[in-house]
Amino acid sequence: DSGVTQTPKHLITATGQRVTLRCSPRSGDLSVYWYQQSLDQGLQFLIQYYNGEERAKGNILERFSAQQFPDLHSELNLSSLELGDSALYFCASSATSVGEQYFGPGTRLTVT
Amino acid sequence: AQSVTQPDIHITVSEGASLELRCNYSYGATPYLFWYVQSPGQGLQLLLKYFSGDTLVQGIKGFEAEFKRSQSSFNLRKPSVHWSDAAEYFCAVAPVGGYNKLIFGAGTRLAVHP
Repeated sequence: DSGVTQTPKHLITATGQRVTLRCSPRSGDLSVYWYQQSLDQGLQFLIQYYNGEERAKGNILERFSAQQFPDLHSELNLSSLELGDSALYFCASSATSVGEQYFGPGTRLTVT
Repeated sequence: AQSVTQPDIHITVSEGASLELRCNYSYGATPYLFWYVQSPGQGLQLLLKYFSGDTLVQGIKGFEAEFKRSQSSFNLRKPSVHWSDAAEYFCAVAPVGGYNKLIFGAGTRLAVHP
């Protein structure tokens, strides 16, 4: 158990819908990262937050957004969902803005 | 462009045999280097990391990795594989001095025969 929690574990929704994925980092970790894992793209970095502020952006679609709250938990919002958004979404955390990252169990999103 | 290459998509070894998983990276400077393992239906678990110093690093579960700057490689090794090591292994890099986004290789799926 890494100490990073993600909810929900599974999510099934229809095209065009909007969903919110939630992540709680390890106790004391200030940095949160979101990654997408799909069969065709592999593991891709989406976005990083550090102590509430966005720090780095990767291959994140405009339909996706994220935020980190004062209690340091983070949410990833995915809107206008398409079939291709079906993937495993991981959250990771680290104590600072650099250093090793610890991953949560992931949220499996299925868009039908 | 920064990239990580894991040349072997699938590897099968017998239980008790030694293991080496290859990882090469393409980067302007030596990045931070990591190996993660993902068991079926699970998240990624950090096996080991290299930031600087001794080029042979020890990790959890009996794994080690050796950084070779001249070859831009960071290969993962284990002297004797156990059936529970069957999983997918990912090599990852992160830029030094920058923000910590990990760039992952495509992964190597390890099967262990009894």
